Amino acid sequence: AQTVTQSQPEMSVQEAETVTLSCTYDTSESDYYLFWYKQPPSRQMILVIRQEAYKQQNATENRFSVNFQKAAKSFSLKISDSQLGDAAMYFCAYALASGSRLTFGEGTQLTVNP
Amino acid sequence: GAVVSQHPSWVICKSGTSVKIECRSLDFQATTMFWYRQFPKQSLMLMATSNEGSKATYEQGVEKDKFLINHASLTLSTLTVTSAHPEDSSFYICSLGRGPSRATLAKNIQYFGAGTRLSVL
Repeated sequence: AQTVTQSQPEMSVQEAETVTLSCTYDTSESDYYLFWYKQPPSRQMILVIRQEAYKQQNATENRFSVNFQKAAKSFSLKISDSQLGDAAMYFCAYALASGSRLTFGEGTQLTVNP
Repeated sequence: GAVVSQHPSWVICKSGTSVKIECRSLDFQATTMFWYRQFPKQSLMLMATSNEGSKATYEQGVEKDKFLINHASLTLSTLTVTSAHPEDSSFYICSLGRGPSRATLAKNIQYFGAGTRLSVL
């Protein structure tokens, strides 16, 4: 079974600084998808960024980028120029195929200090 | 705009009663929907996969007689918590496994409802 692990229950960052959230996963598959979701206090799940395992190039979305290390099964999220609105719970997630179920990590609560 | 509509957003009920939560797909047909449960300060745990026109697939440890899922149409899936008890108090979230276009399907983007907070007294 696939598992996703986030070893940082809480992280904090100063506004405008950079922070990296860690995620590791375990799978025997070679083709899969990885995601970072943000859950603000409203609890609405918001997709931050996604990565296809077959792509070697790391995904980027504006201030958000990932460091995808397939051999190490690591998928970290870097948030640059942190903003107060980035404060939320961040979940790393895995999916085997298009439209399939998501397996989530435990989450990392990010605090952004002004 | 919203792709998934989930109602109600918050429900309070007495122990022993049943509660129905609706997850509606807007603008497109959803053959597959997922139901997750989230306890405070915890992650989302998949409860079941809802397939249109067939029985839902439940995850290990989830009581299918307690959490009834109906996916009778391509736009609506419902989760009914039967004979709810305080330990069923949680946040329930639905998601659609397929997006409104081939582009989003190919990207494997899931769309989440806003969630339902269930409080059982």
